[in-house]
Amino acid sequence: ETGVTQTPRHLVMGMTNKKSLKCEQHLGHNAMYWYKQSAKKPLELMFVYSLEERVENNSVPSRFSPECPNSSHLFLHLHTLQPEDSALYLCASSQAHRLRPTDTQYFGPGTRLTVL
Amino acid sequence: AQSVAQPEDQVNVAEGNPLTVKCTYSVSGNPYLFWYVQYPNRGLQFLLKYITGDNLVKGSYGFEAEFNKSQTSFHLKKPSALVSDSALYFCAVRDMGGGYQKVTFGTGTKLQVIP
Repeated sequence: ETGVTQTPRHLVMGMTNKKSLKCEQHLGHNAMYWYKQSAKKPLELMFVYSLEERVENNSVPSRFSPECPNSSHLFLHLHTLQPEDSALYLCASSQAHRLRPTDTQYFGPGTRLTVL
Repeated sequence: AQSVAQPEDQVNVAEGNPLTVKCTYSVSGNPYLFWYVQYPNRGLQFLLKYITGDNLVKGSYGFEAEFNKSQTSFHLKKPSALVSDSALYFCAVRDMGGGYQKVTFGTGTKLQVIP
């Protein structure tokens, strides 16, 4: 799993805290994604960045703020979260800057977030 | 709208027996289908994909999947299960008619291989 790394692996935060999740891909890919994984639910796509430009925002609350400073790094800034935001947050990347149907996404190990 | 269904929350199979994890899909255009596996405390790992051509797709770790257009299914199979195959399996579909991102994942099926 050295292709896509995520830090931290676990995070516990209070509702008033501000924290950030980090993702780094070492695959030379041009697109990066944030997903939310909750138990018994399909993966929820949150954001898509292609060549550092946000191209998809799936009605995610503003308490989640993504940042993509370059094609290798992706952040998810968190503030004033709610307990229902507790989940596994997965980062992924894919090769093409315009996502082709045949492209494969490569996932990081995820950050297990718990909001108290 | 496209969708993916994994009708079984959990599948139990004895070690050495064949396994099947079911997936059905619904798309408006040509389907591009994927299987991913997730081990505990790990991210999703790509197993295999169907794009076009032969309906039987071979992937990693001895897994294969059969694309059946008439039944809109893409079941994951393995001839002989290993205990190490125990994990969470996700089916996903990408619609060719979609934009930047029209990937839909199923809810996942937990595979338990019993020694």
